[in-house]
Amino acid sequence: GIQVEQSPPDLILQEGANSTLRCNFSDSVNNLQWFHQNPWGQLINLFYIPSGTKQNGRLSATTVATERYSLLYISSSQTTDSGVYFCAVFLSGGYNKLIFGAGTRLAVHP
Amino acid sequence: DTGVSQDPRHKITKRGQNVTFRCDPISEHNRLYWYRQTLGQGPEFLTYFQNEAQLEKSRLLSNRFSAERPKGSFSTLEIQRTEQGDSAMYLCASSLVGSSYNEQFFGPGTRLTVL
Repeated sequence: GIQVEQSPPDLILQEGANSTLRCNFSDSVNNLQWFHQNPWGQLINLFYIPSGTKQNGRLSATTVATERYSLLYISSSQTTDSGVYFCAVFLSGGYNKLIFGAGTRLAVHP
Repeated sequence: DTGVSQDPRHKITKRGQNVTFRCDPISEHNRLYWYRQTLGQGPEFLTYFQNEAQLEKSRLLSNRFSAERPKGSFSTLEIQRTEQGDSAMYLCASSLVGSSYNEQFFGPGTRLTVL
């Protein structure tokens, strides 16, 4: 089956720093979502991004589907950005379940 | 506009007992999904419904698990004869299917602990 790999697995930042999280996938996908899981377990939608670049405040994402990767950029990080970031893909071929990576665990210190 | 809700938020049970979880999707969404997440891992797909029809089940969904969506609105997930390995966060998601747009939105989850 399709493999979704996220890097780095863990990331520690000082408040105000910038970071880039990467998601590689091994097969063609219909679409891709980025989530932030807060300490209470809630998955918060960040981006729904089949291709191209989107921005939302301090966060932006770029997906290059032909090269099978997506990037999530966090600028001027804040302590509230801490948590786990997941990318998840929709398989091509009519299937609509999400296949998740193992996540990047981010800790932002003041 | 309310999001996806799940009940209960936490459940502690003894091995061998049956448990049932409920999920209420976003009101106009016609697809409903169940996922399971164990500690340190990403969520894994269990099953999904389009309206009241259960269209796909993962092999993770053993015969002790059953899911229903009787009227195409809320859904229940039942686990019979719980085992310690069933301890996990059970997540529900919903989406509106009818175009190429199929963003999934998740509920807060039900955390199950089997003693």
